[in-house]
Amino acid sequence: DIQMTQSPSSVSASVGDRVTITCRASQNINRWLVWYQQKPGKAPKLLIYAASSLQSGVPSRFSGSGSGTDFTLTINSLQPEDSATYYCQQAHVFPITFGQGTRLDIK
Amino acid sequence: EVQLLESGGTLVQPGGSLRLSCAASEFTFHSYAMTWVRQAPGKGLDWVSSTTGDSGRTYYADSVKGRFTISRDNSRNTLYLQMDSLRAEDTAIYYCAKSPSFNYDQWGSFRCDSWGQGTLVTVSS
Repeated sequence: DIQMTQSPSSVSASVGDRVTITCRASQNINRWLVWYQQKPGKAPKLLIYAASSLQSGVPSRFSGSGSGTDFTLTINSLQPEDSATYYCQQAHVFPITFGQGTRLDIK
Repeated sequence: EVQLLESGGTLVQPGGSLRLSCAASEFTFHSYAMTWVRQAPGKGLDWVSSTTGDSGRTYYADSVKGRFTISRDNSRNTLYLQMDSLRAEDTAIYYCAKSPSFNYDQWGSFRCDSWGQGTLVTVSS
């Protein structure tokens, strides 16, 4: 199975900051990487697919990049509502696997 | 707007069985692959199982293979997860989720673009 490792496990930032979350795959997954946002007590929400394609309705301050084994999620101009846990997921092959999550707190 | 409503979660003893349902509305259910994802209390997301729009292909995590069965009734717009031989480690919120494609034949096409609110399954004596 492909292992997905996110870093950091948690991050704290202020409104207006830029935050970067990293996801590393244990083998080459080309560009088949998905990002989700999950707020406490809520279902996950799709943010980005195919490493850099923004899901419809997601604010443009969210962006993704990377290919192969290393990927990043960047949030520009951080907003209070961005406080959440973020998960990466590889879409290269079954079984589908997720990263362990990165908790983002707003100072 | 896509609506997904899970039901069937409850407290069940180890070794017991349970069937979860996910009622779908506001989209053409039979045209889309569907998935179950679970989340143990305070833990991360864990893919469980997926099925194509016509049930032609099903996929399972090794941890549930042989114990869980995914199915769908396209005439009722409902997705199911039959869970047998339940274990304590199956305790989780179970989410159903929709994919934006009929199947996963296109490389890298797996993703979940709409999710239900989840149903809690607790396996304990």
